[in-house]
Amino acid sequence: NAGVTQTPKFRVLKTGQSMTLLCAQDMNHEYMYWYRQDPGMGLRLIHYSVGEGTTAKGEVPDGYNVSRLKKQNFLLGLESAAPSQTSVYFCASSSLAGEGRGDEQFFGPGTRLTVL
Amino acid sequence: RKEVEQDPGPFNVPEGATVAFNCTYSNSASQSFFWYRQDCRKEPKLLMSVYSSGNEDGRFTAQLNRASQYISLLIRDSKLSDSATYLCVVNPFPSNTGKLIFGQGTTLQVKP
Repeated sequence: NAGVTQTPKFRVLKTGQSMTLLCAQDMNHEYMYWYRQDPGMGLRLIHYSVGEGTTAKGEVPDGYNVSRLKKQNFLLGLESAAPSQTSVYFCASSSLAGEGRGDEQFFGPGTRLTVL
Repeated sequence: RKEVEQDPGPFNVPEGATVAFNCTYSNSASQSFFWYRQDCRKEPKLLMSVYSSGNEDGRFTAQLNRASQYISLLIRDSKLSDSATYLCVVNPFPSNTGKLIFGQGTTLQVKP
């Protein structure tokens, strides 16, 4: 039982390049989330999904797109990377409210992205 | 005003000390409350949920004051291994999408 996994762990991009971050969970969770974490800013929600085939914008969605084609996977895309997107990206998942451990979010190990 | 505010610290304490962190939240309709722990360059992990009646888990005690809209975390008999960043987390959303709001964290450094 791997929990939440993220690939890649590290990446360096040049401005304007694109990339996709992959998040996978094996806990059969309905909800999945992408956050970015910057010094002094805490975790900020980029996009989230409440089920397969659904996505919604979070607090800081500009410059990112997401897809949830399969329940266990949540992809985060950067179409044209900018230096302001240099950050640590965390994926998380949680079960439905009232089920299991409800609100608890389980996090992946993070992806450290640098955009030059 | 930020939705969840914490004193970023750092709090530097000796082993064995008792330390307390406070956190305030702005939305009085908030549903649930948590403390997460984040070690350096690692992912956040749930430390404990915070219940209206307060709850204790070993050396850790969490309390909620809905009237004043603040949450506290008390750590007794601090260990070196308690050194980490502690995130105050709130679910302010009445329709449950599972979304949470994270404070920026309070850094604790326990010294020998």
